[in-house]
Amino acid sequence: NAGVTQTPKFQVLKTGQSMTLQCAQDMNHNSMYWYRQDPGMGLRLIYYSASEGTTDKGEVPNGYNVSRLNKREFSLRLESAAPSQTSVYFCASSVYQAFFGQGTRLTVV
Amino acid sequence: AQRVTQPEKLLSVFKGAPVELKCNYSYSGSPELFWYVQYSRQRLQLLLRHISRESIKGFTADLNKGETSFHLKKPFAQEEDSAMYYCALLRSGGGADGLTFGKGTHLIIQP
Repeated sequence: NAGVTQTPKFQVLKTGQSMTLQCAQDMNHNSMYWYRQDPGMGLRLIYYSASEGTTDKGEVPNGYNVSRLNKREFSLRLESAAPSQTSVYFCASSVYQAFFGQGTRLTVV
Repeated sequence: AQRVTQPEKLLSVFKGAPVELKCNYSYSGSPELFWYVQYSRQRLQLLLRHISRESIKGFTADLNKGETSFHLKKPFAQEEDSAMYYCALLRSGGGADGLTFGKGTHLIIQP
């Protein structure tokens, strides 16, 4: 049982480059989330999706876009990466208890 | 809107000492409360939930509705307890916007 799978695990980008973080869950959950985790800041919600086809902004959405492609997949896109987006990104899904992916460590130089 | 507050960003205690990680919440309904743990460079995972009233790895947490608190406790800390701990609230009825995390407490157990 894979749970929540994120790719890639590590990424280095140059300022201005774009990339998409992929997330998939196999638990048939409606709710999915993207968080960023920074030292001293804890988890901050970027976007969430209550169901296929719906997305909503969280606490820190600026500079990001998301797509809920289907019930399983929820991707996060950085259109023009900035050094301030250097962080660890976690995808999660839930129906009651939340399940997290293993994280993507992104560095923007 | 619901809110979860973890007042301590960092908590350092010696091995064998008692541990208490504080969590306060604001929500007018009947919430579900959880504690999640994240060991170094690993994913967050559920530690315990108030509804099951269980003890996991020696940790317990009691929901105090009068004080709107859900503090995590362990009588004797062990070095392997060093981790980030997040308190979370799920409001009644659930929903994607019903899940709220605190900012986390970094627990360090000194030898």
